[in-house]
Amino acid sequence: EAQVTQNPRYLITVTGKKLTVTCSQNMNHEYMSWYRQDPGLGLRQIYYSMNVEVTDKGDVPEGYKVSRKEKRNFPLILESPSPNQTSLYFCASSLRGQGLPYEQYFGPGTRLTVT
Amino acid sequence: AQTVTQSQPEMSVQEAETVTLSCTYDTSESNYYLFWYKQPPSRQMILVIRQEAYKQQNATENRFSVNFQKAAKSFSLKISDSQLGDTAMYFCAFMKHENTGTASKLTFGTGTRLQVTL
Repeated sequence: EAQVTQNPRYLITVTGKKLTVTCSQNMNHEYMSWYRQDPGLGLRQIYYSMNVEVTDKGDVPEGYKVSRKEKRNFPLILESPSPNQTSLYFCASSLRGQGLPYEQYFGPGTRLTVT
Repeated sequence: AQTVTQSQPEMSVQEAETVTLSCTYDTSESNYYLFWYKQPPSRQMILVIRQEAYKQQNATENRFSVNFQKAAKSFSLKISDSQLGDTAMYFCAFMKHENTGTASKLTFGTGTRLQVTL
């Protein structure tokens, strides 16, 4: 089954304790992206990657890191989480190419709480 | 930069009735795409419908259709014969066209929470 998986689905942590949220897709997609969803703000892009070893900042990158060492994986790293990073996080992936934009497939979301 | 505005935070509709969700956007791009996503209580993001800006014909997908007014920068979603399973948060989203053929980010509105009642 074609899908984007995220782990963990729920995480409660404390300020300053480094954490990683994993994202993996099995569709051989080049493009991967992280969004955060906050009430009243919709979804905002954090980082994206066009392919292996190619990453770039989105609209709200502060406090986050990413890496793309393999095509299928795109982990989101919070080196020193703070309470304002409490949010619902989504990973998404899609093909790249000319013509119509390919559909972005979303993972199930990760609910992060930083106390 | 693009912005997407959904001015209806919450809406309610009775089962089998029709409801329209509003979305306006602001962009200087001439070629772009617009989307409606559904987020049910499970939180999964589900693509409902897509519209290419260069197409004048409004997109339809079964009970879902859009009213795309390019000059007015308006992109509303009409849900006909509403069903209980349509209860969800609905997000309008914008994606600009990339001439290089690369994928592009989605810019989302703040969402409209739709409740379908008996």
